[in-house]
Amino acid sequence: SAVISQKPSRDICQRGTSLTIQCQVDSQVTMMFWYRQQPGQSLTLIATANQGSEATYESGFVIDKFPISRPNLTFSTLTVSNMSPEDSSIYLCSVERDRGYGYTFGSGTRLTVV
Amino acid sequence: GENVEQHPSTLSVQEGDSAVIKCTYSDSASNYFPWYKQELGKGPQLIIDIRSNVGEKKDQRIAVTLNKTAKHFSLHITETQPEDSAVYFCAANSGGYQKVTFGTGTKLQVIP
Repeated sequence: SAVISQKPSRDICQRGTSLTIQCQVDSQVTMMFWYRQQPGQSLTLIATANQGSEATYESGFVIDKFPISRPNLTFSTLTVSNMSPEDSSIYLCSVERDRGYGYTFGSGTRLTVV
Repeated sequence: GENVEQHPSTLSVQEGDSAVIKCTYSDSASNYFPWYKQELGKGPQLIIDIRSNVGEKKDQRIAVTLNKTAKHFSLHITETQPEDSAVYFCAANSGGYQKVTFGTGTKLQVIP
């Protein structure tokens, strides 16, 4: 399975600022996925990033708040913009497993907004 | 849409005992059911999965069972060890990446 490097692993940010999270995969993948995991809760898909096209956002998530870049087949970034304490979560990137079932996740970015 | 319920939310067992986590789903079109283990400070890791054409699957100390009629599936961990302590998520997939719904997670604590 692919190996995903995600950084930063954690950050504490001031309200109103933005944070960009990076996700690097050790192999070329068509789609990369960004998830949010709020404290003590499950995983919610934010958006899907395809190389060479605009990201596809799920209901409740908008590009202005969570802009995504996908410059090549091994890299993606997620920016959390104009942060508020409600954005405090773990953000995870993931890719489909080689055989097409299930996902491989990065180690996550634990974001605290103060 | 799909709704996945997971129970219990927390589970404590003595080392060596068995642990069972149960999930129910609502969408009869769901055909793939993975289980993920998330250790502290790490991302979820797929540990076992089952497809709708199979009723049971086992991998060493872990097993998953599926009852399509009742729309529920369970994770069984035997001879638990302290390193099994983690949060476990079930998921149901009815096709495609947009059709994956995760359960709310079970925090398993194995007491030495």
